[in-house]
Amino acid sequence: QKEVEQDPGPLSVPEGAIVSLNCTYSNSAFQYFMWYRQYSRKGPELLMYTYSSGNKEDGRFTAQVDKSSKYISLFIRDSQPSDSATYLCAMSGPRNAGGTSYGKLTFGQGTILTVHP
Amino acid sequence: KAGVTQTPRYLIKTRGQQVTLSCSPISGHRSVSWYQQTPGQGLQFLFEYFSETQRNKGNFPGRFSGRQFSNSRSEMNVSTLELGDSALYLCASSLLFGGGNEQYFGPGTRLTVT
Repeated sequence: QKEVEQDPGPLSVPEGAIVSLNCTYSNSAFQYFMWYRQYSRKGPELLMYTYSSGNKEDGRFTAQVDKSSKYISLFIRDSQPSDSATYLCAMSGPRNAGGTSYGKLTFGQGTILTVHP
Repeated sequence: KAGVTQTPRYLIKTRGQQVTLSCSPISGHRSVSWYQQTPGQGLQFLFEYFSETQRNKGNFPGRFSGRQFSNSRSEMNVSTLELGDSALYLCASSLLFGGGNEQYFGPGTRLTVT
């Protein structure tokens, strides 16, 4: 079983819809949670960065972390065709954890999102 | 501020050859991590360097190696290439090493092994 599970989709929504993307994880040591957006043939772009549980909002994007359920979400409001991309969740362990928890990011498989006009 | 740059962007090699990929981090960033991305396995961590020292290593064979220079630029090397090494190799930079640091990715080097 993978440490981070993410439904690969594909997910297709009409322009203006609210998109919900989710990941579950099994490693309770994860404390930092990120969402990346990756366009075709490009590198991942950092969208959201959160620490521990809670919500964070940035424009049309809201990230939620529920550590008790080991579940994270990304919501995209008023989705646009330019949001069409693969969305990757990523997480890492605590600072100065030693061992194998340094800067290593563990990624989900990515969800392919298409927003059609 | 310029982003992470990787060279070359595309490479075609044959089995048994070796390859060296280069990464220049964002100015001021001192940590560089490397990842391999394939359709089947997704993004997998290769190794992380900080202050010219490897700080962490993923579960890849010894054919995969790397180094970091005093200016924080990094290279990774793959020897005795196999067909399964065909992938997008991504470099990410961050200010420091350790969990929780925001990592910014370059555009990647697409390696094809024939």
